[in-house]
Amino acid sequence: NAGVTQTPKFQVLKTGQSMTLQCAQDMNHEYMSWYRQDPGMGLRLIHYSVGAGITDQGEVPNGYNVSRSTTEDFPLRLLSAAPSQTSVYFCASSYDSGNTIYFGEGSWLTVV
Amino acid sequence: EDKVVQSPLSLVVHEGDTVTLNCSYEVTNFRSLLWYKQEKKAPTFLFMLTSSGIEKKSGRLSSILDKKELFSILNITATQTGDSAIYLCAVVGGSNYKLTFGKGTLLTVNP
Repeated sequence: NAGVTQTPKFQVLKTGQSMTLQCAQDMNHEYMSWYRQDPGMGLRLIHYSVGAGITDQGEVPNGYNVSRSTTEDFPLRLLSAAPSQTSVYFCASSYDSGNTIYFGEGSWLTVV
Repeated sequence: EDKVVQSPLSLVVHEGDTVTLNCSYEVTNFRSLLWYKQEKKAPTFLFMLTSSGIEKKSGRLSSILDKKELFSILNITATQTGDSAIYLCAVVGGSNYKLTFGKGTLLTVNP
């Protein structure tokens, strides 16, 4: 049972580069979300999805895109990386938004 | 805008002490409140609270929700060094029932 799988675990990008953080879950969860965690800021919601084909913005969506073409996958795209996007990114999923949230192991991203 | 405020932001105690962590919230369409413990990697689930006044308990940890006063507390009795972590409070609510996290409380338990 893989749970929530995030890749890559570590990435260094140059300013202006684009990349995609992958997130997949095998629990048939409808609700998926992306958070970033910065020191002293807690977990901040970037984008979330309540089902395939449906996405919405969270608290800090600027500079990020998402899509949800399947129930299993919820990739997060950085369009043009900036040093302010240096952070730890967590993908999460749950059966629905009110149930236990399962987190991926995190992706450590550094933008230089 | 939905808000979740945790206090204190950091706390240093000695082994054996009892601690109380606070979480207050302002969200529309409240559905549930969750507590997580985060050590070095991803947060791990502790409790989910949906009803006022019903204490959830797991070993030395317990939590209760007050939906009238819009807050929850997490108690840890007889703290151990392994309790050192960031404790996160999150509330499900708002439009589309999204999850909003507080900034967390960094607990350090010294031997």
